Amino acid sequence: QAQLVQSGAEVQKPGASVKVSCKASGYTFSSYGISWVRQAPGQGLEWMGWISAYNGKTAKYAQKFQGRLTLTTNTSTSTAYMELRSLTSDDTAVYYCARGGNSWYVVWGQGTLVTVSS
Amino acid sequence: EIVLTQSPGTLSLSPGERATLSCRASESVSSAYLAWYQQKPGQAPRLLIYGGSTRDTGIPDRFSGSGSETDFTLTITGLEPEDFAVYYCQQYGTSPGFGGGTKVEIK
Repeated sequence: QAQLVQSGAEVQKPGASVKVSCKASGYTFSSYGISWVRQAPGQGLEWMGWISAYNGKTAKYAQKFQGRLTLTTNTSTSTAYMELRSLTSDDTAVYYCARGGNSWYVVWGQGTLVTVSS
Repeated sequence: EIVLTQSPGTLSLSPGERATLSCRASESVSSAYLAWYQQKPGQAPRLLIYGGSTRDTGIPDRFSGSGSETDFTLTITGLEPEDFAVYYCQQYGTSPGFGGGTKVEIK
């Protein structure tokens, strides 16, 4: 069945960047977009953006992350990537990828904890 | 940007009772673009409802979604022990977003 497997936990210093991967299996990768959602400790879900896995170029970012977030895909490995730059402690969160663009999300990754600490 | 406001923040109920969760949008949302998720601690969210009222595969019929324009409701008729969790609404129009969540806890 369709599955998304994310890379492992990360610890980064303030000002650094983080890149999280999301490997898809069990479905045709290019048929769906990939969205990214984060959840700070004890907080709700926050939509970050999505990218088309069909062309790897069409992407939409939440205004809050414009200029600091880059989403990419590699269709040869069925993997999506989320890179967030200029990290602060407010970026400490679990980051999820989910299958879909402007749609509901049936398939989710297991989440990747990113901790920003000096 | 459409803002989704969920209420109440916490709902304290006993097993067997009915839960009514509200999701209010700052501007009109097509019901076709409204979803509900359940999240338990340490787990990714699980899709319950999409298109405002369509249950995802395998979701029990005690979960139902309704509403239109700016007011949407998730109803759980007859709470089971496994239903105590946090619930989020999501709109997936031009710029998707989530509500702040409602925690359904055991009274």
